[in-house]
Amino acid sequence: QKEVEQDPGPLSVPEGAIVSLNCTYSNSAFQYFMWYRQYSRKGPELLMYTYSSGNKEDGRFTAQVDKSSKYISLFIRDSQPSDSATYLCAVRGETSYDKVIFGPGTSLSVIP
Amino acid sequence: KAGVTQTPRYLIKTRGQQVTLSCSPISGHRSVSWYQQTPGQGLQFLFEYFSETQRNKGNFPGRFSGRQFSNSRSEMNVSTLELGDSALYLCASTFGLSGSGANVLTFGAGSRLTVL
Repeated sequence: QKEVEQDPGPLSVPEGAIVSLNCTYSNSAFQYFMWYRQYSRKGPELLMYTYSSGNKEDGRFTAQVDKSSKYISLFIRDSQPSDSATYLCAVRGETSYDKVIFGPGTSLSVIP
Repeated sequence: KAGVTQTPRYLIKTRGQQVTLSCSPISGHRSVSWYQQTPGQGLQFLFEYFSETQRNKGNFPGRFSGRQFSNSRSEMNVSTLELGDSALYLCASTFGLSGSGANVLTFGAGSRLTVL
């Protein structure tokens, strides 16, 4: 079983739709949860960052973490064509030597 | 504030050759992590350097190596290239160790290596 699983898509939605992206993870020791966005031919950029369980909102983006079910989600409201990218979830433990582990990414296309 | 800079952006090599990739972190950042990204395996951790010392290493063969200089710039080297080494190599920097506290990775644009 991979440490972080994510539906690779591709996911195609019309402009203005609400998008739900999800990941599951296997290790309950993970405490930090991140979402990165990667445009074609670019490096990943950090979108959202959450410690432990709960919700975090930033503009049109909401990240949710449910540690009891080892499930993390990213919601995008009022999706725009500029949101078309690959979304990577990432997790990390709490020790200094923990590395960041990425999911395989979900490819999203927002159609005008 | 300049971001993470990786050079070269694109390169083509043949099997058996070696390659060196360079990464300049964000000014003030002392940790550099390297990742390999392929369509099949996604982002896989190679190694992390902090204060010129390798602090963490992923599950890659010894052909993959790296180093960090006193100015925090880092290089990674792949020797005896194989076709399967074709990938996007990403470098990311953090102020402290990437596993420490609220440090988050800031990535460069990557170096795309094609092995023929």
